[in-house]
Amino acid sequence: EVQLVQSGAEVKKPGESLKISCKGSGYSFTSYWIGWVRQMPGKGLEWMGIIYPGDSDTRYSPSFQGQVTISADKSISTAYLQWSSLKASDTAMYYCARLNGYSGYDFDYWGQGTLVTVSS
Amino acid sequence: EIVLTQSPGTLSLSPGERATLSCRASQSVSSSYLAWYQQKPGQAPRLLIYGASSRATGIPDRFSGSGSGTDFTLTISRLEPEDFAVYYCQQYGSSSWTFGQGTKVEIK
Repeated sequence: EVQLVQSGAEVKKPGESLKISCKGSGYSFTSYWIGWVRQMPGKGLEWMGIIYPGDSDTRYSPSFQGQVTISADKSISTAYLQWSSLKASDTAMYYCARLNGYSGYDFDYWGQGTLVTVSS
Repeated sequence: EIVLTQSPGTLSLSPGERATLSCRASQSVSSSYLAWYQQKPGQAPRLLIYGASSRATGIPDRFSGSGSGTDFTLTISRLEPEDFAVYYCQQYGSSSWTFGQGTKVEIK
């Protein structure tokens, strides 16, 4: 069974750093792109970026380029999303999702989400 | 960047009724690159339709997708109680993905 399991909720202060994770299982982790999607409170879905764990090829949405870093450790089948200096506006639910290996352009499996709260 | 505009913002219907959701793109989108998702409160999105009209694994046949170019439609033939949720369209283009703002299907 394909599963993406994300790390738990985080409460941070502005200016702090953070790295959240997404562990894949039940499939060949290195063969599928993993994307990250933001959902701010009460709002819609925003694509942030995507990584191919096989060779760490990474693409970013222009809206998030330079604001976050996406990485992966294929030895432990885990993708990461990190911030060096959080802002209150980073408060959101963050989802990882696997790119559909059949169609190649949509996300067929999703993690349960990681809620990040940034507040002083 | 291609912008997706969904309408209506909210659809108020009764169980058993037909739901028709629209997704319009700011420029032409390949049908292969258009998907629909369902999201219920407190849950992650779920893939319903990919390639504009192909149902994802396990999706009931009351869900269907159609369209091409700039206009795409998700149809739920007869609403079941579990179908009341928010629906998003999504497209891929130029190494980038974008989502529509969502349509909420609520119980009338």
